[in-house]
Amino acid sequence: ELKVEQNPLFLSMQEGKNYTIYCNYSTTSDRLYWYRQDPGKSLESLFVLLSNGAVKQEGRLMASLDTKARLSTLHITAAVHDLSATYFCAVVYAGNMLTFGGGTRLMVKP
Amino acid sequence: NAGVTQTPKFRILKIGQSMTLQCTQDMNHNYMYWYRQDPGMGLKLIYYSVGAGITDKGEVPNGYNVSRSTTEDFPLRLELAAPSQTSVYFCASSPQGLTETQYFGPGTRLLVL
Repeated sequence: ELKVEQNPLFLSMQEGKNYTIYCNYSTTSDRLYWYRQDPGKSLESLFVLLSNGAVKQEGRLMASLDTKARLSTLHITAAVHDLSATYFCAVVYAGNMLTFGGGTRLMVKP
Repeated sequence: NAGVTQTPKFRILKIGQSMTLQCTQDMNHNYMYWYRQDPGMGLKLIYYSVGAGITDKGEVPNGYNVSRSTTEDFPLRLELAAPSQTSVYFCASSPQGLTETQYFGPGTRLLVL
């Protein structure tokens, strides 16, 4: 059974600071998603990482994938309040299935 | 282009009742998925479909059924609703499986009392 763990579960940070969210998974996979969810809303796809060493960046967010370490990171640079949300990673297995992590709730304070 | 739409937005069911959650996408995507999200948790896959007429079980299929008679529609049927099925249900689609972006619907909040 594939297990996906995110840490931290909750992150409160000041605007302008940098931080990293970690996503570890238990079995081999070479595809991983990052999503954002605002309270009471649906999920928005941020990044799709499709191979070992993949790195993608959009604005203040950068995601990377190390399939050998079974680890993905989501790095936040110079956080702003608008980034406050819950972030999920999800790992592909058995071709068409996604297993989600428990989410990291990010709060960015002015 | 409406994307992925779901109806209803909210529903209260009594234990033992049945209902169908509707999902429609207008992007001509082959792959469609149903997830449930319990409070404070990540999503769990219930069923998925790789094209019209083809469906398969996900991680938590018990108590649910699906059908895919057209490319656009992927309804989720709850038979004999139980309190454990209280959740938010999301439908999603993608063009060709999980190497591309998934597009999510707005969700259906279901309360079983």
